[in-house]
Amino acid sequence: DAGITQSPRHKVTETGTPVTLRCHQTENHRYMYWYRQDPGHGLRLIHYSYGVKDTDKGEVSDGYSVSRSKTEDFLLTLESATSSQTSVYFCAISLGRDRAFFGQGTRLTVV
Amino acid sequence: KQEVTQIPAALSVPEGENLVLNCSFTDSAIYNLQWFRQDPGKGLTSLLLIQSSQREQTSGRLNASLDKSSGRSTLYIAASQPGDSATYLCAVRPGETSGSRLTFGEGTQLTVNP
Repeated sequence: DAGITQSPRHKVTETGTPVTLRCHQTENHRYMYWYRQDPGHGLRLIHYSYGVKDTDKGEVSDGYSVSRSKTEDFLLTLESATSSQTSVYFCAISLGRDRAFFGQGTRLTVV
Repeated sequence: KQEVTQIPAALSVPEGENLVLNCSFTDSAIYNLQWFRQDPGKGLTSLLLIQSSQREQTSGRLNASLDKSSGRSTLYIAASQPGDSATYLCAVRPGETSGSRLTFGEGTQLTVNP
């Protein structure tokens, strides 16, 4: 398995609180991605990064921000969590436009 | 906007059967297509990657084909086993040079019955 660690694996938080999810990789891959997976919608891209401090928006980026200060770490922040952000969040990495590898996911519940 | 569709959404077969999962995409200008497996509560495991210039890729009992011009890919599983039970997803990567993001289908949930 690719060396991808997501933390936390599970989190319950209250509406309106900030939440940060972390993705850590040991593969030195250039690209890192955050997806969310919801029933009826499949996997949708939130944000991605193509290098340190280089990030771009995906199709469902509203309400989310990201930061990448080191090659190995990609942080996803929900500034003020809402119930619609209850989901399973996956981090992925790739060297370039080749095979992508996924982490084990973070299950986030906003109550 | 690229759209990826997987049919059927669910499939139940007896052990030992050969089966085909389908994936179609609306924009044929892709760079590659990847098949994944997802077990309940787990992350995605990469199974096969087909470049746009390739027609098929094989790994063990799995064979994936790609017909880029018609916007279709199939995943063939030979001699299915209960351990193959999982959700199978396909994802395409766009062909333009800035295109690094994957667009996913919603998956086919496969159950192989002993």
